[in-house]
Amino acid sequence: AQKVTQAQTEISVVEKEDVTLDCVYETRDTTYYLFWYKQPPSGELVFLIRRNSFDEQNEISGRYSWNFQKSTSSFNFTITASQVVDSAVYFCALSGTDRGSTLGRLYFGRGTQLTVWP
Amino acid sequence: DAMVIQNPRYQVTQFGKPVTLSCSQTLNHNVMYWYQQKSSQAPKLLFHYYDKDFNNEADTPDNFQSRRPNTSFCFLDIRSPGLGDAAMYLCATSTHPLYEQYFGPGTRLTVT
Repeated sequence: AQKVTQAQTEISVVEKEDVTLDCVYETRDTTYYLFWYKQPPSGELVFLIRRNSFDEQNEISGRYSWNFQKSTSSFNFTITASQVVDSAVYFCALSGTDRGSTLGRLYFGRGTQLTVWP
Repeated sequence: DAMVIQNPRYQVTQFGKPVTLSCSQTLNHNVMYWYQQKSSQAPKLLFHYYDKDFNNEADTPDNFQSRRPNTSFCFLDIRSPGLGDAAMYLCATSTHPLYEQYFGPGTRLTVT
């Protein structure tokens, strides 16, 4: 079964602090994809990143970075020098390819509410 | 800009009165999805279309139906809304079922 766990329900930081959002996943698929989405108070889910299971290279995009480690089944997301505009709910998600998984379905974690205070 | 559009953004309906939510896309994506999201929860997949192939999640209530008359449009019909159906309804698209989904702004449904 596919499962995504985001153990941190809420995180509060002060502006300019670095913050890491944790994501742990479970899958029996050999080929799978991992995603992060941001949902600001307006409600629209915004796609941030996709990684496939064969690419463990970490990625950096501006203040955002992602650490994918298959050995620990984790796909963590770090925001450097956080800003008030980063306040949102962040969802980690997983999709699979092999038989036994419903093709095309995203399995979402429960989300982490990040609040950045000025 | 290419995008996913949902109308209306806010919908109020009465208990038991049918309601239709609409979604359109200019991305020309093959796959379209409908999600229900309640407060402080992750989005819950209701259905998706891969081209014309319809896929219904096993736990989607019979009260919910969907139509995709063409590539660009998809509709969610709630035949007899109950108070428990009040939620945000999100439409999304993707080029392939495995890849990232692009979401519309959502329709917030209130049932009175």
